[in-house]
This record gives sequence, C-alpha cells and structure tokens, in this order.
Amino acid sequence: QVHLVQSGAEVKKPGASVKVSCKASGYTFTSYGINWVRQAPGQGLEWMGCIDGRGNTYFTQRFQGRVTLTTDTSTSAAYMELRSLRSDDTALYYCARDRQCNSPGDYWGQGTLVTVSS
Amino acid sequence: DIEMTQSPYTLSASVGDRVTITCRASQRLTGWLAWYQQKPGKAPNLLIYKASTLESGVPSRFSGSGSGTDFTLTISSLQPDDFATYYCQQYNNHPFTFGQGTKLEI
Repeated sequence: QVHLVQSGAEVKKPGASVKVSCKASGYTFTSYGINWVRQAPGQGLEWMGCIDGRGNTYFTQRFQGRVTLTTDTSTSAAYMELRSLRSDDTALYYCARDRQCNSPGDYWGQGTLVTVSS
Repeated sequence: DIEMTQSPYTLSASVGDRVTITCRASQRLTGWLAWYQQKPGKAPNLLIYKASTLESGVPSRFSGSGSGTDFTLTISSLQPDDFATYYCQQYNNHPFTFGQGTKLEI
C-alpha cells in the first residue's frame, strides 16, 4: 500500500531555511510526481509546487526563487527546502503524490509543522 | 494564475440533507478539477477528479458535475462523517490552485 511519511516538526528563526522530507513507499517512485501543499493555521490549502518523476519542477510564482524541490530516487524520498523564512511561513506542509505533476494528489503525507518564530 | 472561488464559505446542514457546493474558475477549465474533503488535524482526502469521476473507495453519495468555469460537488444525503471542510482544486494549468474552502457544519 502507498505511504508517504514526512519528517518531524521544525522550529526556525526568521531568515533561516528548512528542509522537509517525504519518504515514499508502496509504488514505483519515479512513475509519479510529488506535490507540496501548505496550510497556515486556520487557513486553506496553498499549492506550492511539484516535482515529477524526471525531476522537472513547477512552482507557484510567489515561491519561485525561495523554494527548492528535489528527489532522491535511491531512497524514494522527496525534499522541499524553503529559504529566508518569515513568520507567515508558519504552516503545516504536506507532500502529496500525483501522476506526473498533472493530476490531483491521491495519497498525502501526514504533514510537517514548520514554526517560524524569533 | 487561475483563481478558484468557492461558495458558500460556510454551510449549515443536517444529517440526511442534500447539499451542493459551488466552485467557479477564473478561466475555462478542460474538466481538470478535483474535490477534496479535509477533517481537522488530517490531510486532505481526494473525493473526485476530472470534475465528476469518483475516487476509489469514496461513497456514492458524493458526486461532481460541471464544465467550463462552473463546477459543483453534491452530497446526496449527509452522514455524520461528512461534516468537514471541502476544497476544489484546478489542475488544468500550473500553478495548480485551490478554492478557499467550504466548511460544512451541523
């Protein structure tokens, strides 16, 4: 069965970077993409970007230049690094599998809480 | 970017009711629209994709319809487990975008 397991909660200071991991199992990792979606406390869902099985990336413009999406096919893991953190980056960050960055997320990780506070 | 607008923002209903949530896109979509259910403290759960195709394992009381810019999610007979927040998402163009959510309350 498909599982996406994310890394644990992080507390960061403004200006720092955070790297969240998403370990996939139960399917052929390179046949699917990984989306990254975040949710600020009490707010809705915000799509950040996606990396497909070939390593092509797609982003929401407001994150372009501040976020890096990578994968490690040897460990079936995806990573999202967000730099120059601000307090409004405090959110629950989810990874979600999709077909190849061209479909909705059918399996989701449990979420990683990133808190940005001085 | 395609903007997705859901209505209503909050919906109060009772068990057994039929409810409809609307999602409007700022540009015409070629049917690439999904609906998700999210419960507090949980990840979203995919209900419907391609506007009207039910994801495997989703109860048949959920249905989706629409085309172009206007789409709907209908729950034919509300069950206690259905009280949650619902989001539409377009995956027609990058960046994919979500509606702001509809909270379905008892």
